[in-house]
Amino acid sequence: DSGVTQTPKHLITATGQRVTLRCSPRSGDLSVYWYQQSLDQGLQFLIQYYNGEERAKGNILERFSAQQFPDLHSELNLSSLELGDSALYFCASSVAGGGTGETQYFGPGTRLLVL
Amino acid sequence: GENVEQHPSTLSVQEGDSAVIKCTYSDSASNYFPWYKQELGKRPQLIIDIRSNVGEKKDQRIAVTLNKTAKHFSLHITETQPEDSAVYFCAASIGGNNDMRFGAGTRLTVKP
Repeated sequence: DSGVTQTPKHLITATGQRVTLRCSPRSGDLSVYWYQQSLDQGLQFLIQYYNGEERAKGNILERFSAQQFPDLHSELNLSSLELGDSALYFCASSVAGGGTGETQYFGPGTRLLVL
Repeated sequence: GENVEQHPSTLSVQEGDSAVIKCTYSDSASNYFPWYKQELGKRPQLIIDIRSNVGEKKDQRIAVTLNKTAKHFSLHITETQPEDSAVYFCAASIGGNNDMRFGAGTRLTVKP
């Protein structure tokens, strides 16, 4: 157990809908990262937050957004869902998130299925 | 943009043999190179990492080597066991934000 929690574990929804995925980082970690992993694919970096502020952005679609709250938990919002958004969404956290390269610890993931 | 190339995409070895997975990166500022193991349906788990000021690091049957000049690093698993079967991802830090780029993964199968 990495100490990173994600809810829900599974999510089934329809095209055009909006969902929110939630992540709680390890105790003391200030940075949260979101990744998308499609079937048999690698990990695509979406976005990073550090202490409530956006720090880095990857290949995140405009239909997706995220935020990190004062208690450091983060939410990833996916809207106008398409079939191709079906994937495993991982959250990871690290202690700080700058400069020297830090280990990222992954949560168990949320499996999203868009029908 | 910055990317990480990983080879091979699949690797099958006999139990007891060694396995080597190679990655190359493009950002000369990359200074942290972790390796993750992901079993089916589970989270990626860190198995070993190396920083740019070190050329090699070993942890029991697992070792990682780094060649900064050539911008490549490799994972070596010796005396492989069936439980080593999984997908392995390399990664490299990008820029100064701990932004990480992952390789596409290598599916390792260890045959008993």
